[in-house]
Amino acid sequence: GQNIDQPTEMTATEGAIVQINCTYQTSGFNGLFWYQQHAGEAPTFLSYNVLDGLEEKGRFSSFLSRSKGYSYLLLKELQMKDSASYLCAVMDSNYQLIWGAGTKLIIKP
Amino acid sequence: GAVVSQHPSRVICKSGTSVKIECRSLDFQATTMFWYRQFPKKSLMLMATSNEGSKATYEQGVEKDKFLINHASLTLSTLTVTSAHPEDSSFYICSAGLADYNEQFFGPGTRLTVL
Repeated sequence: GQNIDQPTEMTATEGAIVQINCTYQTSGFNGLFWYQQHAGEAPTFLSYNVLDGLEEKGRFSSFLSRSKGYSYLLLKELQMKDSASYLCAVMDSNYQLIWGAGTKLIIKP
Repeated sequence: GAVVSQHPSRVICKSGTSVKIECRSLDFQATTMFWYRQFPKKSLMLMATSNEGSKATYEQGVEKDKFLINHASLTLSTLTVTSAHPEDSSFYICSAGLADYNEQFFGPGTRLTVL
């Protein structure tokens, strides 16, 4: 079967760095997405990786290793507003999205 | 875990026809279902929120007469794209929730191509 695994919850301190991991097993691969979702809001797009390596975008970076079926989202200089759920999703060979359950990130002062 | 399915996964239709997309929660009863549209490498755009047995609430800018939503039961919601045009081609994703956004479970999406 297809599945995406990511931690259920993580806690980090304001100003610190946190890495949210995502491992996947899917039928084919057409890219991996990271979304941020604040309570009461729709998910917002953070990143898209289709090739191996690190994509940096401001305080957020996303890494992909296709051979390992692994990605991570790295958040630097954490701010209180980064408290949210982070969703990992993989597009499979049929261009269907396989969603992770999301990681709830709690930022403490 | 909670599973949400969508059918069809992919559909190609001619301009002017109507297309129905189904969203089902397979192992739980969803009080609320959400319909999103995704543009390439963009965020999901919420189109509407539907609660079982009541009319859907549409987001600003979404034509309710064009995107008909029916939430007939606690496990099924449908989105009908009426008189589809090429600009309606997109990836439509539904999610089903138990209480609020924090407990949404997403479907695999439906890719609509209008010729």
